[in-house]
Amino acid sequence: EVQLVESGGGSVQPGGSLRLSCVASGFSFSHNWMSWVRQAPGKGLEWVANIKQDGSEKNYVDSVRGRLTISRDNAKNSLYLQMNSLRAEDTAVYYCASHTFTAFDYWGQGTLVTVSS
Amino acid sequence: QSALTQPPSASGSPGQSVTISCTGTSSDVGAYKYVSWYQHHPGKAPRLMIYEVSKRPSGVPDRFSGSKSGNTASLTVSGLQAEDEADYYCSSYAGSNTYVFGTGTTVTVL
Repeated sequence: EVQLVESGGGSVQPGGSLRLSCVASGFSFSHNWMSWVRQAPGKGLEWVANIKQDGSEKNYVDSVRGRLTISRDNAKNSLYLQMNSLRAEDTAVYYCASHTFTAFDYWGQGTLVTVSS
Repeated sequence: QSALTQPPSASGSPGQSVTISCTGTSSDVGAYKYVSWYQHHPGKAPRLMIYEVSKRPSGVPDRFSGSKSGNTASLTVSGLQAEDEADYYCSSYAGSNTYVFGTGTTVTVL
């Protein structure tokens, strides 16, 4: 059974930092692109960032570039999102998802990040 | 990187059909055959329902179908059932290994 389990969410003040983790099982993690997708309260899904199988390519949505950093450790079947200089608009449930070139095939249940003073 | 446009809501009675549109641009939906659709029940993990415009992953009922014309993709749910009540999101490849999601549509089974 495929499982993606996110952790690391919580409450943080504006300007603060958090590190999200996602542990994968049940599929060949090292063979898949991985993404972070978020959903702000009352809003739709937003693709945030992705990383190639070997970590050699990373892509970001413009609104997070320079503040959020995606990384992975294939030996630990783990995906990470280092979140710095957090803003109120980063408040969201963050999902990790594996994807082929054409679709996001497996998803976790998400972890909530709240940025508030 | 603007979100794809979906209607906020759609509804139908059990057994009826509902169609959800997803409008993008010539840089995303119109440029690639890489439109996918996701079903999302609040509090749960989103589920892939359609990929590459019209293909169904294993386990997805054939009541779900997809199509595309120009810059607009569509998801049709035929023979609506109570468990189809959920939020639905489209997504498209947007070039340079980036992706964009739709604004989301809440489907209500009357």
